[in-house]
Amino acid sequence: DAKTTQPTSMDCAEGRAANLPCNHSTISGNEYVYWYRQIHSQGPQYIIHGLKNNETNEMASLIITEDRKSSTLILPHATLRDTAVYYCIRGGHAGKSTFGDGTTLTVKP
Amino acid sequence: EPEVTQTPSHQVTQMGQEVILRCVPISNHLYFYWYRQILGQKVEFLVSFYNNEISEKSEIFDDQFSVERPDGSNFTLKIRSTKLEDSAMYFCASTEDLLYGYTFGSGTRLTVV
Repeated sequence: DAKTTQPTSMDCAEGRAANLPCNHSTISGNEYVYWYRQIHSQGPQYIIHGLKNNETNEMASLIITEDRKSSTLILPHATLRDTAVYYCIRGGHAGKSTFGDGTTLTVKP
Repeated sequence: EPEVTQTPSHQVTQMGQEVILRCVPISNHLYFYWYRQILGQKVEFLVSFYNNEISEKSEIFDDQFSVERPDGSNFTLKIRSTKLEDSAMYFCASTEDLLYGYTFGSGTRLTVV
């Protein structure tokens, strides 16, 4: 039970922003939201994480709603190399990340 | 950029044989993990390791599995008597802090024949 809900798949045009939603309505107050991606059968790659505030790094931005029940990962200018499965995960001091089915993002030329 | 290194990249073994999968986590990381992914399925948590002991394990991690950090740099996963259903990609991961993201290795593809 991954405890997050994501759409199965999404498409995005190359160069446009990719907005990937995640629902985590039962998240507890001390749990963070983490995003990873997996390209083909490579190891998962950490992207970003946050607790309450919106976060940005060199890879992406993370927007967390005020009630913390959902979040959106934003890839501002998607490229073909961003085609991957994106996982939204709840975690924190529990010490493990449980992966769900994720969203398969396909970036198209 | 620091990497988690896993060897071998692919291992084929006969059913019933013992295998050891090896990982070198990032040097200043303190928490270590093994995950597996059966072809076409989810990434599944196996075990977490901290301060030279298992901190958490899943129901998959039964008596056939064991982990060890033998020398302060390597982190190994041993499967004592492999079964066909152990065929999967095995990923090692590490992190400096429980609240940080994990860094994963590129995996070992284990094929049991």
